[in-house]
Amino acid sequence: DAGITQSPRHKVTETGTPVTLRCHQTENHRYMYWYRQDPGHGLRLIHYSYGVKDTDKGEVSDGYSVSRSKTEDFLLTLESATSSQTSVYFCAISGREGYNEQFFGPGTRLTVL
Amino acid sequence: AQKVTQAQTEISVVEKEDVTLDCVYETRDTTYYLFWYKQPPSGELVFLIRRNSFDEQNEISGRYSWNFQKSTSSFNFTITASQVVDSAVYFCALSESVNTGGFKTIFGAGTRLFVKA
Repeated sequence: DAGITQSPRHKVTETGTPVTLRCHQTENHRYMYWYRQDPGHGLRLIHYSYGVKDTDKGEVSDGYSVSRSKTEDFLLTLESATSSQTSVYFCAISGREGYNEQFFGPGTRLTVL
Repeated sequence: AQKVTQAQTEISVVEKEDVTLDCVYETRDTTYYLFWYKQPPSGELVFLIRRNSFDEQNEISGRYSWNFQKSTSSFNFTITASQVVDSAVYFCALSESVNTGGFKTIFGAGTRLFVKA
């Protein structure tokens, strides 16, 4: 199994508070991704990273920012959480160079009250 | 723009039946990749298969088989002799390279498969 961990695994917060989710990999892969999963929508890409300090937006990036200061860590920040951001968040990494199947972390369930 | 459609929201079968999960995609690129992922009730996402746009050869892995047809933009997944352990949500996904590096992947909404004993 790919070495990907997410923290926290569960979080309940209140509207308007900042939240940071962490994804940590031990595979030294270049590409990392943040998705959210909501019923009826499958997984939707929030942001992705193609290297240290290199990131780009996905299809649902509004209200989210990311940072990647080292290869193994990719942080997702909700600057001011809203109830619409209640979701399950998955981090993923790409596999071997040239093979772009993704391997996913266990997910973080975030509830914004 | 990329799009992946899984028209079947839920499918229910009885154990040992064969079942096919449909996936239709849209892309303007000539080079792209297609995937299937499984999400069992425990919630993790498991990679099942990858296909690139130049390889239309069908693939079989045990009770699983995949049929890729570029002419109809489809990448269907068949489970033969289904088992209760196959109960899960299955996602089809399409991936294209992007100028900034790496790939962007679009997932379908998923098909929830119930296999009853």
